[in-house]
Amino acid sequence: AQKITQTQPGMFVQEKEAVTLDCTYDTSDQSYGLFWYKQPSSGEMIFLIYQGSYDEQNATEGRYSLNFQKARKSANLVISASQLGDSAMYFCAMREGRNYGQNFVFGPGTRLSVLP
Amino acid sequence: GAVVSQHPSRVICKSGTSVKIECRSLDFQATTMFWYRQFPKQSLMLMATSNEGSKATYEQGVEKDKFLINHASLTLSTLTVTSAHPEDSSFYICSARLGGAGEQFFGPGTRLTVL
Repeated sequence: AQKITQTQPGMFVQEKEAVTLDCTYDTSDQSYGLFWYKQPSSGEMIFLIYQGSYDEQNATEGRYSLNFQKARKSANLVISASQLGDSAMYFCAMREGRNYGQNFVFGPGTRLSVLP
Repeated sequence: GAVVSQHPSRVICKSGTSVKIECRSLDFQATTMFWYRQFPKQSLMLMATSNEGSKATYEQGVEKDKFLINHASLTLSTLTVTSAHPEDSSFYICSARLGGAGEQFFGPGTRLTVL
C-alpha cells in the first residue's frame, strides 16, 4: 500500500493566488514527521516545511503553511501569494518511527505551474 | 543549515564502464547517509542506507553488486555504479543524517547518462 499519496499529478495556479497541494499518508506509528520538499528543474531537493505528529499547531514558514489533519491523515501544503518561481515539483514525505530513526518515504509528487 | 555536496553533478559514460559518485557532508559528521534514485517524472526511491564503517543496507530489488556503496568516513559516502547500462541512467541523490535522530539534508544530485 502507498504510504504517501498525492492525488494531483499537476496543478495550475494564477500568480498571486493561493494553492493547496494535497497529501495523505498511511502509518500505524504514533511518532512520525511529515515534510514537504520543492524540486525545481535543477533537481535539488529544497526543504519547505515540517510537521511533527505531536505538534498541535499547524506549521508555517513564510508563504508556506501545512494544513495538518491528523484524524484524516492528511498534511496538505498551502502556498499563499504564488510566485512564478514556485513552479516546480512538490513532494510530500514521511519519516516514521521513534526518534524519527527511519528513512524518508516520498509521495509521487505534484507538478505546480504558476501562470503569469 | 547543514550542507551536503555531490560530485560530479553530471556524468556521461559509455555502457559497460563504472562510475563513482561522491556524497560529502561539508560541515557536520553524518553517521548515516542515504542514496536515492529518481527516474524522469517520478519520485525519489530509496536505494540503500549507508552507515559509517559498516555494510550498506539495500532496499528490495536493488542489486548490491551493481551499486557498490562505501561509507568510509563520517563525511563521505560513495556510490559506484558498476558495468553501467543505459537503463541505469537516472538522477542519483544522496542525503546525510545528523546523528541517530537528526534531520536529513539532501545533496544537489548527480545526473548519470549511460550511452
